[in-house]
Amino acid sequence: GENVEQHPSTLSVQEGDSAVIKCTYSDSASNYFPWYKQELGKRPQLIIDIRSNVGEKKDQRIAVTLNKTAKHFSLHITETQPEDSAVYFCAARSNSGGGADGLTFGKGTHLIIQP
Amino acid sequence: DGGITQSPKYLFRKEGQNVTLSCEQNLNHDAMYWYRQDPGQGLRLIYYSQIVNDFQKGDIAEGYSVSREKKESFPLTVTSAQKNPTAFYLCASSIAPGQNQPQHFGDGTRLSIL
Repeated sequence: GENVEQHPSTLSVQEGDSAVIKCTYSDSASNYFPWYKQELGKRPQLIIDIRSNVGEKKDQRIAVTLNKTAKHFSLHITETQPEDSAVYFCAARSNSGGGADGLTFGKGTHLIIQP
Repeated sequence: DGGITQSPKYLFRKEGQNVTLSCEQNLNHDAMYWYRQDPGQGLRLIYYSQIVNDFQKGDIAEGYSVSREKKESFPLTVTSAQKNPTAFYLCASSIAPGQNQPQHFGDGTRLSIL
């Protein structure tokens, strides 16, 4: 099955600086890569996703890049703000594995924005 | 998302007891999923259903059971065979299975052992 590794586990940046979170996946058949933001005790919320037919996607201060050859994808947050503080999860979905339709998640990155 | 309702918000289980977590969606989504989240961990897939009256095991199905009798409902039963049930349980749905559509989550149920 799919295995997703996420780094770093904790990331502290100054307000206004950029933050980058990286994930690698193992199954070359994976073709969908969402990113979720989860605040303490709340539901994960989808913030951006990318499909394997594109290399980059941007939505205001958030961007995701995908390198299919290297099997890694990254989340970039620019001009960070205090409300960006949360745990961020990457995930991958594969078409292989007998039709499994769920997502495989990384273990999360706790992003701390320092004022 | 407002369209996915999980209940109860908190649940306590006694030893040897089965408990059922409710998940209802009014989004007309075909696919529904159950994930388990442990502290400091990512989400792990328990079961998923792509269509009514059909469901598949995920990565950690042992000790759990589900049913999908109606499109809008996908209840999860945590059986007494699940020896470490304390976790945050999240239900999700997506428009259609197998088409890389986003999964949206409910607010979760926090299960603890008495």
